[in-house]
Amino acid sequence: GAGVSQTPSNKVTEKGKYVELRCDPISGHTALYWYRQSLGQGPEFLIYFQGTGAADDSGLPNDRFFAVRPEGSVSTLKIQRTERGDSAVYLCASSLNPASGGPNTGELFFGEGSRLTVL
Amino acid sequence: LAKTTQPISMDSYEGQEVNITCSHNNIATNDYITWYQQFPSQGPRFIIQGYKTKVTNEVASLFIPADRKSSTLSLPRVSLSDTAVYYCLVGEGYALNFGKGTSLLVTP
Repeated sequence: GAGVSQTPSNKVTEKGKYVELRCDPISGHTALYWYRQSLGQGPEFLIYFQGTGAADDSGLPNDRFFAVRPEGSVSTLKIQRTERGDSAVYLCASSLNPASGGPNTGELFFGEGSRLTVL
Repeated sequence: LAKTTQPISMDSYEGQEVNITCSHNNIATNDYITWYQQFPSQGPRFIIQGYKTKVTNEVASLFIPADRKSSTLSLPRVSLSDTAVYYCLVGEGYALNFGKGTSLLVTP
């Protein structure tokens, strides 16, 4: 498929455990974004990558959350010491045109998300 | 980021035109207006984006008045498959505030 791929689609873990969520963006898309969506809410921005670097991580809720994109393609969102409040759908998106501070003309392509449940 | 206000929910019958209005009184000069659609268990999908006046594509139209303090997404002749949540986003970059969106229910 040519879309954004996220794995796992579902993850159930226990409080305190470590979790990794993976995102494979559309080939050629230099910009990658992570969002989090809680039940009944719209997606909430977490972090944005331009290439390999995190251009903006201002949306990460605390230092238990970390994301990497070592080769400028696949990204991994890492959550340490999970808490029940981390339960949500984690969405990844990619785009051709990264935000550069100017007018945004870029369409974001979202994956289907990884549903995380922390028991 | 500009704050947006849109109706929580709307109902429509098949075949009707649906207009969803979004208020964004503090929109900034560089901000674009973007609408996304989301079905259950799927990520949001881009519908349309505009800066001013009117934009039309194969699925929707976006009307933006001169003061840009609101915008209206128009879906012509909706079908049952248009039942979804519609988000109005205002901003110039990626950290867009999706808000709670408008839940549209289309019935026969």
